[in-house]
Amino acid sequence: GAVVSQHPSRVICKSGTSVKIECRSLDFQATTMFWYRQFPKQSLMLMATSNEGSKATYEQGVEKDKFLINHASLTLSTLTVTSAHPEDSSFYICSAPGQVGEKLFFGSGTQLSVL
Amino acid sequence: GENVEQHPSTLSVQEGDSAVIKCTYSDSASNYFPWYKQELGKGPQLIIDIRSNVGEKKDQRIAVTLNKTAKHFSLHITETQPEDSAVYFCAARKAGTALIFGKGTTLSVSS
Repeated sequence: GAVVSQHPSRVICKSGTSVKIECRSLDFQATTMFWYRQFPKQSLMLMATSNEGSKATYEQGVEKDKFLINHASLTLSTLTVTSAHPEDSSFYICSAPGQVGEKLFFGSGTQLSVL
Repeated sequence: GENVEQHPSTLSVQEGDSAVIKCTYSDSASNYFPWYKQELGKGPQLIIDIRSNVGEKKDQRIAVTLNKTAKHFSLHITETQPEDSAVYFCAARKAGTALIFGKGTTLSVSS
């Protein structure tokens, strides 16, 4: 099946720094990728939809200037958390639809801890 | 947009019993309904899915049923085992959109 690779798996950073998370589709092209955030003991909440070659679409309440999304190629989408603060500490996970069908393929997630 | 409700939030069963988790969705255009199992610190793992043209699907001890008219779908786990203990999420999607998840059910299977 299709594989989505996400890196890093875990990152600890100081408050005020920026963190970049990469999501790659390894054996298929993904014109669209979805970014989710999951706080402890909560569900996966959709943050934004990343579209190759165009601007990302953000869900209500998600600051587009804080969570920068770049989908520069058909296999790579990046999420940059700018000026991270402790409240941004969360599990971030990306997903992409396969070439055929409705199934979404998920990365393994990134646990972000901001000190 | 789509809204998915999931019940119960916690479920405790004895090993060997059955477990049932129920979800409802709001968008009648949704046509894909997967179920995920998530263990602590890991991403969600797809365990079974169903499409809107099917009413029931089974895979060994796991089954999913879908009632399109009522807009609800359920996960059934039979002969539960301690390793089934995890958080389970239902989700719904229509073509071209993201998956929208329910709030999750923490299943505890005691031996």
